[in-house]
Formats: sequence, structure tokens, C-alpha cells
Amino acid sequence: EAQVTQNPRYLITVTGKKLTVTCSQNMNHEYMSWYRQDPGLGLRQIYYSMNVEVTDKGDVPEGYKVSRKEKRNFPLILESPSPNQTSLYFCASSLSGTNEQFFGPGTRLTVL
Amino acid sequence: EDQVTQSPEALRLQEGESSSLNCSYTVSGLRGLFWYRQDPGKGPEFLFTLYSAGEEKEKERLKATLTKKESFLHITAPKPEDSATYLCAVYNAGGTSYGKLTFGQGTILTVHP
Repeated sequence: EAQVTQNPRYLITVTGKKLTVTCSQNMNHEYMSWYRQDPGLGLRQIYYSMNVEVTDKGDVPEGYKVSRKEKRNFPLILESPSPNQTSLYFCASSLSGTNEQFFGPGTRLTVL
Repeated sequence: EDQVTQSPEALRLQEGESSSLNCSYTVSGLRGLFWYRQDPGKGPEFLFTLYSAGEEKEKERLKATLTKKESFLHITAPKPEDSATYLCAVYNAGGTSYGKLTFGQGTILTVHP
């Protein structure tokens, strides 16, 4: 089944404790992206990647890191999480940026 | 800076009452405008992609149109199961924003039986 998977689905952590949210797709897509969704603000792009080893900042990259060492994986790293990073996070992939995006199920992160 | 603004923020309709959602955009190099549907607690699901002004696409009760400044999502004779948040997004293929996807804040549609 073609899908985008994210882990964990739910995470409660404390300020400053490094964490990684994994994202994997099995569709051989080149374009992958991370978003955060907050009430009233819609989806905001954090980072995107147009291919392996190519990553670029979206609209809200501060406090986040990403890497794209393999085509299928695009982990999101929070080196020192803060409460303002409490949010619902979505990973998505597509053949290219001009094609439809397939979204993962979301990761709800709470930083205390 | 790319901007996408959706209106209204929320829309309540009676079953069968047709209406339209608006998505206005400012982007330096538009290469695609997308509409997605999102149900509570789930990831967005793709509806349409429009690539050039004048283009129209239809799917069941939904029809999307595109001009040089805005897109409309027309909903004809909606049913309660059409209740969801509808998101618009633009893909930028110009200048320093090449490759970015910018979403609007969404329109929350509620259809009452």
C-alpha cells in the first residue's frame, strides 16, 4: 500500500530534550516536506527536500533540522524543543513539487 | 513573499445550498495551485491541481477554477459529508522561493442536514 508513515504519532516531552520525528514514504517520491499546523494558522512549511541531499527552508525553519540521506526518509529533528513548538506536525511526499502531496497521519507534539 | 489568503474562515450551509470558497494568492512564479480537504485529526487529502489561468476541474459536487489572482472552489448541492476544512496551496517555481509550498489558513465548511 502506498503510504507516508510518521513516528511517533503522539509525543509529550520536556523543554530542551532532543527528539526526532521520523517520516518514510514507499512511493519513490523525490519531493518531501514537513509542516506544522496550529489553530487559525493553517499548514506552514518547515523544510522541504527536492531530492536526496537537497534540503531548503520553508516559512518556519527556526528550531528545526532535517536531513535527506535516503530517498524514502526525511526525519525532522528538534535539537532543543521549546513550548512554542507544541503543534501538530505532518510529513508529506510527492513526485515533484507540482504534483499532489500525500500526507502522513500526523504527529502531535507537546513540549512542556 | 508568497501569500495565500482563504475566505471565508468558516462557512455554514444547509444541505443542498450551493456556495463558493475563495483562495487569493500572491506568488512570484506560480507552477501549481492545489486544493485539499482535511477532516479533523487527519492529514489533508488531495482534491485538485490547477496549473494555468482559465483552467477548471470537477469532481462530484466540487469544481475548482483558477484566475491569475485567485481560485474558487464551488460546491454544488453540498451534503453533510462534505463538512471539512478546505485548504488551498500554491507551489512557487520562481526566484528565492523556488520549490516552496505555501498554504492558506483554510475554510471550515459545515453542512447541516
